[in-house]
Amino acid sequence: GQQLNQSPQSMFIQEGEDVSMNCTSSSIFNTWLWYKQDPGEGPVLLIALYKAGELTSNGRLTAQFGITRKDSFLNISASIPSDVGIYFCAGLNMDTGRRALTFGSGTRLQVQP
Amino acid sequence: NAGVTQTPKFRVLKTGQSMTLLCAQDMNHEYMYWYRQDPGMGLRLIHYSVGEGTTAKGEVPDGYNVSRLKKQNFLLGLESAAPSQTSVYFCASSSGTGPPYEQYFGPGTRLTVT
Repeated sequence: GQQLNQSPQSMFIQEGEDVSMNCTSSSIFNTWLWYKQDPGEGPVLLIALYKAGELTSNGRLTAQFGITRKDSFLNISASIPSDVGIYFCAGLNMDTGRRALTFGSGTRLQVQP
Repeated sequence: NAGVTQTPKFRVLKTGQSMTLLCAQDMNHEYMYWYRQDPGMGLRLIHYSVGEGTTAKGEVPDGYNVSRLKKQNFLLGLESAAPSQTSVYFCASSSGTGPPYEQYFGPGTRLTVT
C-alpha cells in the first residue's frame, strides 16, 4: 500500500520561531491536505493543495505541493503557544475511486512561551 | 450546523462484548469514513461509504462492520470486541464530488477493551 513518511516526529521550539515539516510518499498523490489535531479532538483541516507546484497560505501557515507530486511541506511562521498540537499530512489518490486519505504518522509540535 | 458528530465519546467494553458507534453529518455529504487512531500513528481507514446503502472495506476492516441506511448516518459495529480494538475512532465525511476533496472529522470516540 501507499506509505507516507512524515518528519520530524516531534519538535520543541521557542515562541516566535518558524517551523517546517514535510511528507514524502512512495507514490503520486493528486491532492495533499494538512490537518492539525488538538488533544482530545478530531483533526481540523488547515490547508488543501490540488496542483503540483502549488503554494498556498493560510495566515501564518504556508504549504506546498511538490513538483514530483510525491511530497509536500508545511511551514508555520512566528509560532505562538496555540500552535501546539499534532500536525498530519494526508494524501489523496483519485485513482482509487474511494476518496480515502493516506495519513502520515504526525509531527508533534510543542511551543515554549 | 453541527458538522460531524459522534456518539458516544467514551466507552469501556469487556472482551467479547458488542457495541455500535454512531456518526452523523448535517452537510449532505455523499462520502463517509471510519478511521482508527493508535498512539504514534496516523489514522487508518476501517470502512467507508460512497453513498446511502453502500459500504466498502478500507485498510483495516477485520472485526468491524458498518451500515449506511440513511445518508446522514454511518454506523460502526464491533460484534465481539478484542483488546486490539482499543483505540480512538474517528468518523469523517466529504462531498464526494469536486474538488474540494477535503474530509471533515468528528471529535472521536475513545474505546477501551479490557
